Amino acid sequence: GNSVTQMEGPVTLSEEAFLTINCTYTATGYPSLFWYVQYPGEGLQLLLKATKADDKGSNKGFEATYRKETTSFHLEKGSVQVSDSAVYFCALSSGGYNKLIFGAGTRLAVHP
Amino acid sequence: GAVVSQHPSRVICKSGTSVKIECRSLDFQATTMFWYRQFPKQSLMLMATSNEGSKATYEQGVEKDKFLINHASLTLSTLTVTSAHPEDSSFYICSASEPGGARNTEAFFGQGTRLTVV
Repeated sequence: GNSVTQMEGPVTLSEEAFLTINCTYTATGYPSLFWYVQYPGEGLQLLLKATKADDKGSNKGFEATYRKETTSFHLEKGSVQVSDSAVYFCALSSGGYNKLIFGAGTRLAVHP
Repeated sequence: GAVVSQHPSRVICKSGTSVKIECRSLDFQATTMFWYRQFPKQSLMLMATSNEGSKATYEQGVEKDKFLINHASLTLSTLTVTSAHPEDSSFYICSASEPGGARNTEAFFGQGTRLTVV
């Protein structure tokens, strides 16, 4: 079946550090891939997405490239801010209707 | 982006009572909505797919009689936790998309409902 594996957290960084959160997936067919962010006490917000191989999703300085050959969708940001502290979820959608399979989530803490 | 509104955001109920959670798509029609459950510091687990005008499809291990889902209109799905117990305490969150519409490539999430059963 479909699944998403995400690097375990928490990830603790200083402000302006480089961020990478690894995500790999297993899926039949050609899934769409997503990164969602959850701030404390809130629901999920879509951060970025990619719907086909080699697509790069980007938003708010975050980027992720859909790599079919390595079945990966790693999240990166060149310079994190304290306000980026949150939980980040990698997810895939397959078969339409945006039924999502989530990774375990990675908690990011950015310190001044 | 589209707006999905979930109500209530927090609820505390006594053990043995039932609680209804509403999920509304405010500016689009959602023939399909999804209900997820999130335990503390864990990921979201899909509970069921809510289909407008038909029975919900439940994931393996989710009790249909425990978690009643009704999707009576194109903009509203409800999740009722029946005879709630402390182990049902969790964060419940819904999502919706617009199949075939401009928003068909993204799921929009409600803000979630934190249920505490005492």
